[in-house]
Amino acid sequence: KQEVTQIPAALSVPEGENLVLNCSFTDSAIYNLQWFRQDPGKGLTSLLLIQSSQREQTSGRLNASLDKSSGRSTLYIAASQPGDSATYLCAVGAAGNKLTFGGGTRVLVKP
Amino acid sequence: ETGVTQSPTHLIKTRGQQVTLRCSSQSGHNTVSWYQQALGQGPQFIFQYYREEENGRGNFPPRFSGLQFPNYSSELNVNALELDDSALYLCASSTGRLGASNYGYTFGSGTRLTVV
Repeated sequence: KQEVTQIPAALSVPEGENLVLNCSFTDSAIYNLQWFRQDPGKGLTSLLLIQSSQREQTSGRLNASLDKSSGRSTLYIAASQPGDSATYLCAVGAAGNKLTFGGGTRVLVKP
Repeated sequence: ETGVTQSPTHLIKTRGQQVTLRCSSQSGHNTVSWYQQALGQGPQFIFQYYREEENGRGNFPPRFSGLQFPNYSSELNVNALELDDSALYLCASSTGRLGASNYGYTFGSGTRLTVV
């Protein structure tokens, strides 16, 4: 059974600092890994999708890496802004046509 | 290109009642999945539909059922509501029978269900 863990559960940083969010998964037989952002009480916004054959994806200030063999992914957010405050979720796509989510990391960027 | 839309946005029901939640998938998508997200937790997979047939189900009891229509919109039905069913219900759409395998998912804004 696939299990996805995100550490830390919460993170507070001053504006301008780089953010590093970690995601680990137990079964390396994945199709892809997707990072989402969720604002309080809202739905999920897709940030980056990394296919299992890829090592990383980049979009603007965001960069996500994937190491299947070690079961890890890292989301980097450069030069954080107060608008980056949200919960960040990683999810693994695998057989069974479902995503398995981690519990999320709640981020607060202080002005 | 429209995204995934869900209705209603909020709903309050009494324990034992039945509820129907609705979802319109993103244009061009033929796969719809439903997830339940309890407060402070990650979403949990309920089931997935591809071309009107269920093709994947999570660890949820049979009182959670669904439908997908020819236009690929979908409904989630929950019978005999329990207090623990209170959660944010998310609909996600993708393309292809193995939606998770190729294109990732686009999520709607969710329906907040409160059972009292």
